[in-house]
Amino acid sequence: DVKVTQSSRYLVKRTGEKVFLECVQDMDHENMFWYRQDPGLGLRLIYFSYDVKMKEKGDIPEGYSVSREKKERFSLILESASTNQTSMYLCASMGWNEQYFGPGTRLTVT
Amino acid sequence: AQSVTQLGSHVSVSEGALVLLRCNYSSSVPPYLFWYVQYPNQGLQLLLKYTSAATLVKGINGFEAEFKKSETSFHLTKPSAHMSDAAEYFCAVSDRGAGGTSYGKLTFGQGTILTVHP
Repeated sequence: DVKVTQSSRYLVKRTGEKVFLECVQDMDHENMFWYRQDPGLGLRLIYFSYDVKMKEKGDIPEGYSVSREKKERFSLILESASTNQTSMYLCASMGWNEQYFGPGTRLTVT
Repeated sequence: AQSVTQLGSHVSVSEGALVLLRCNYSSSVPPYLFWYVQYPNQGLQLLLKYTSAATLVKGINGFEAEFKKSETSFHLTKPSAHMSDAAEYFCAVSDRGAGGTSYGKLTFGQGTILTVHP
């Protein structure tokens, strides 16, 4: 079974803090994705990566950056957290024609 | 550009009744289409997918969906609802059908919350 893990299920941070969300997959997948999920908006793509050190912006990249130093790990970085980044963050990795999702990190910025 | 519209943010059915969740898509390339389910406080789980083979796709937990190109639809159905089906359901379209340098990015609908009454 494919396993995608995220470093935290719940996280509370203060405005202006630098925040790291970590995602690890165990299936040697090349493509990995970060989404945020908000009620009534579904999931929106923030960034994705198709290889180590390779990244592409998604639909809502503003205020975020990413890092992929190893194939199995894809990190989402909030350089200076703001209250409008309070959300559920979901990581996914892609196998053959299918994305596998982690359990999500619910981030609250106060 | 791709987009997905799910008609109805909330659907309520009685246990044993038919479940119908509607999804319409827009895509400039042959689409791959997906339905995911999310139970409270969990990630997304794949229910079923259409990847240009049979137009009627069967998934897990008794769900199925039919790809109708002329209607640009991919509605999800289940003949008889069970209490355990209560969850949020997401329809998504992928650019993977384009082949080539596609990365398989997903565009999601807004989600439909399914409530099942006893």
